[in-house]
Amino acid sequence: DQQVKQNSPSLSVQEGRISILNCDYTNSMFDYFLWYKKYPAEGPTFLISISSIKDKNEDGRFTVFLNKSAKHLSLHIVPSQPGDSAVYFCAASSGTYKYIFGTGTRLKVLA
Amino acid sequence: KAGVTQTPRYLIKTRGQQVTLSCSPISGHRSVSWYQQTPGQGLQFLFEYFSETQRNKGNFPGRFSGRQFSNSRSEMNVSTLELGDSALYLCASSDGRSEAFFGQGTRLTVV
Repeated sequence: DQQVKQNSPSLSVQEGRISILNCDYTNSMFDYFLWYKKYPAEGPTFLISISSIKDKNEDGRFTVFLNKSAKHLSLHIVPSQPGDSAVYFCAASSGTYKYIFGTGTRLKVLA
Repeated sequence: KAGVTQTPRYLIKTRGQQVTLSCSPISGHRSVSWYQQTPGQGLQFLFEYFSETQRNKGNFPGRFSGRQFSNSRSEMNVSTLELGDSALYLCASSDGRSEAFFGQGTRLTVV
C-alpha cells in the first residue's frame, strides 16, 4: 500500500520556466512533509519542508504548497536551472521519525 | 560538522551470505533510520533507532536487522542474502527537531 505517491516518474522543463512536482498521500495522520533532491550515487539532500498547520512554505526558488483537504502537496521551482536536474522525492511523517517516501520524479531541466 | 558517514560505499556479496553495513550519524543526532532504495520503488523504510532502541520498523523480513550503539553509531545486518536484496542502502540521522540528513549510501550487489 503506497501511502505517498508521485504519479509522474519524469518531467522535462525548459530552463527559466517553472517546474511543478506533485505528490499525493493517503494517510490523514501525516502532519509533516518534506522534499528531497537526489543526484546519482549520492544520498538524498533535504530541500524544504512544511508542517500541516501551514499551506505554503518558501525558500528562495523553492515553494511547497500543501492542500490538506485534497491530501496533495506540490513543489514549485522558479526559475528552473539545469543544476536542478535530479530525482525529487516527497516524504511524509506522522509525528515519528519514520518517513514514508514516494517513488520519486526525475526532473530534467533543458538548457 | 561532519555529515552522515556510511561504510562501505560498495559491496558485492554472494547469495546466502550475510552482510553488515555501518552508519555514523551527525554528532549529537540520536535518531538513525535505514532505507532501501531500488529502481522504481523509491525509498523503503527499514527501521529507526533512538538511544539504542528500535522505535519504528518497516515491512521487511526478519533477515533484515539492526542495532544502535551508545555513541549512536548504527549497523544494519542482512542475513541469507537474496538477489532481490541488491539495492542502495541509505542511513539518515536526525536530532528530532528538523529534517533527516542522509549519508551517501552503500551500494550492495548480490550475485
